[in-house]
Amino acid sequence: DTEVTQTPKHLVMGMTNKKSLKCEQHMGHRAMYWYKQKAKKPPELMFVYSYEKLSINESVPSRFSPECPNSSLLNLHLHALQPEDSALYLCASSQESRGDYEQYFGPGTRLTVT
Amino acid sequence: RKEVEQDPGPFNVPEGATVAFNCTYSNSASQSFFWYRQDCRKEPKLLMSVYSSGNEDGRFTAQLNRASQYISLLIRDSKLSDSATYLCVVNMDNAGNMLTFGGGTRLMVKP
Repeated sequence: DTEVTQTPKHLVMGMTNKKSLKCEQHMGHRAMYWYKQKAKKPPELMFVYSYEKLSINESVPSRFSPECPNSSLLNLHLHALQPEDSALYLCASSQESRGDYEQYFGPGTRLTVT
Repeated sequence: RKEVEQDPGPFNVPEGATVAFNCTYSNSASQSFFWYRQDCRKEPKLLMSVYSSGNEDGRFTAQLNRASQYISLLIRDSKLSDSATYLCVVNMDNAGNMLTFGGGTRLMVKP
């Protein structure tokens, strides 16, 4: 029943592959986020988009490249990943990017890098 | 010191019990507070925002204590379906757009 959708649900990729994760929200939110979550750890913020502009990059390696084609869509392009990048990648959205607005998460993409 | 701290648990309680979790935060200027629940291998789901006056949603009650810099979550009449990890989330500064997550508290409700 989430209104934030993510594809694919699972992804296995080699270290030389290029792949993309996709996220879409249908709530008219103007802020979207990418998080990375390892097992038994809380989500870690990677990127924040506010009104389709990148506003925060939490020192994420360049092998992760975000893109926001429009206010409803958020992509994460992956290239030359390492096995330690295997994790659950979560997309979230909120009405505005100010912290007093609640964030809603998509179901995530479980990524395995071989 | 971690910015948002939670007892990782697990809290093992029988069905019908009342259980309470606390979460402490380091920044006295923090303005917004949330509880999320996360089931195994699923995404975090917003349980409730925490307001200064405290708020209740059915069996769940959240309280904020600014003087002591902690928030609490009380679950009454625990159900098996309440078994999950509960994440305390704090916005350290309303001018920013970053949420800080606690490590989570694991709850196991037993029959």
